[in-house]
Amino acid sequence: EVQLQQSGAELVRPGTSVKLSCKVSGDTITAYYMHFVKQRPGQGLEWIGRIDPEDDSTKYAEKFKNKATLTADTSSNTAYLKLSSLTSEDTATYFCTGGVMDAWGQGASVTVSS
Amino acid sequence: DIQMTQSPSSMSVSLGDTVTITCRASQDVGIYVNWFQQKPGKSPRRMIYRATNLADGVPSRFSGSRSGSDYSLTISSLESEDVADYHCLQYDEYPYTFGAGTKLELK
Repeated sequence: EVQLQQSGAELVRPGTSVKLSCKVSGDTITAYYMHFVKQRPGQGLEWIGRIDPEDDSTKYAEKFKNKATLTADTSSNTAYLKLSSLTSEDTATYFCTGGVMDAWGQGASVTVSS
Repeated sequence: DIQMTQSPSSMSVSLGDTVTITCRASQDVGIYVNWFQQKPGKSPRRMIYRATNLADGVPSRFSGSRSGSDYSLTISSLESEDVADYHCLQYDEYPYTFGAGTKLELK
């Protein structure tokens, strides 16, 4: 059974960046496209983008193209989401999910506050 | 981008009800629709994939259907554990897009 373990909650200052991790266990990360999804408090789900760890190719939703960067490290079976130039609009829980979204991490809370 | 118009946004339900939630796609997405259940403070759980297929471990009271560009999730004989938020997703084309979600609440 594939499991995704995400890094912990982050409290960050506006204008800075944060890098979230998502470690895959139970299989090799190259078997899956890895997606990241944003959920603001009390809101729905937003697809940020996906990375193919096999070749590092990426796809992003337009609104996240200058906000999010997806990377993967096959040696550690881990995918990463870096968020830059943080504002209060980035305060949310970020989920990683693999395959056709049949496996999900537990979510990582990011709070942007001075 | 493909829009997934989900309705209703919320629904007041009773145990034993049959509940249907619908997403309408703004363009053809074929069979590439998933349905997710999400409980407060938890990660989404995939319930239906490729529009009509029940995901592993999901009770048979859940079903998915398609009529043209309308995709539906039906819960027969609603149980208390089914009270949650539900989201549809199209993954036919990038960017993937979710519906706005449906919140089920007990009467």
